[in-house]
Amino acid sequence: NAGVTQTPKFQVLKTGQSMTLQCAQDMNHNSMYWYRQDPGMGLRLIYYSASEGTTDKGEVPNGYNVSRLNKREFSLRLESAAPSQTSVYFCASSTNRESNEKLFFGSGTQLSVL
Amino acid sequence: AQSVTQPDIHITVSEGASLELRCNYSYGATPYLFWYVQSPGQGLQLLLKYFSGDTLVQGIKGFEAEFKRSQSSFNLRKPSVHWSDAAEYFCAVGRGGGADGLTFGKGTHLIIQP
Repeated sequence: NAGVTQTPKFQVLKTGQSMTLQCAQDMNHNSMYWYRQDPGMGLRLIYYSASEGTTDKGEVPNGYNVSRLNKREFSLRLESAAPSQTSVYFCASSTNRESNEKLFFGSGTQLSVL
Repeated sequence: AQSVTQPDIHITVSEGASLELRCNYSYGATPYLFWYVQSPGQGLQLLLKYFSGDTLVQGIKGFEAEFKRSQSSFNLRKPSVHWSDAAEYFCAVGRGGGADGLTFGKGTHLIIQP
């Protein structure tokens, strides 16, 4: 059971470069999410997709874009990376946005922007 | 707006000793409450959740938590900790299971002394 798979696990970028973080889940979940985790800040929601074909902003969306490619895949794009985007990024999924189900997390992408 | 406070950034406990991690929340209605654990280099894993009913909830790995509405608290406990419990623990509150409605605390780092 793969669960939620994120790639890459590590990435170093220069300021201004772009990249896409990939996320895929094999649990037939409807809802997917992107978080960033910074020391002393806990997890903050960047974007989410309640269902295939929809995306919405979370708490900290600036500087990011997302694409819900299909039910399985939800990508996060940094168009012009900034040092403030150095963080650990987690993708998560759940059965439904409104359900009382738990979140399933990927193992994270550690991103450094120099 | 909802919020979560985990007053302790770090806690050190001897192996075999009991553990209590504090969580206080602010929410305008009946909250949905969660505890997640994050082992080093991993994503978050759900320990337990409270939606309604019995205010003492049992979770995985021998953890339990008690919802106290009068104190706006949802503290996590374990009678006897093991070295493998060393991790980061996050409390979360929301209107439902969906992540767009969840607010995470900043986490408590648990250190286990031999």
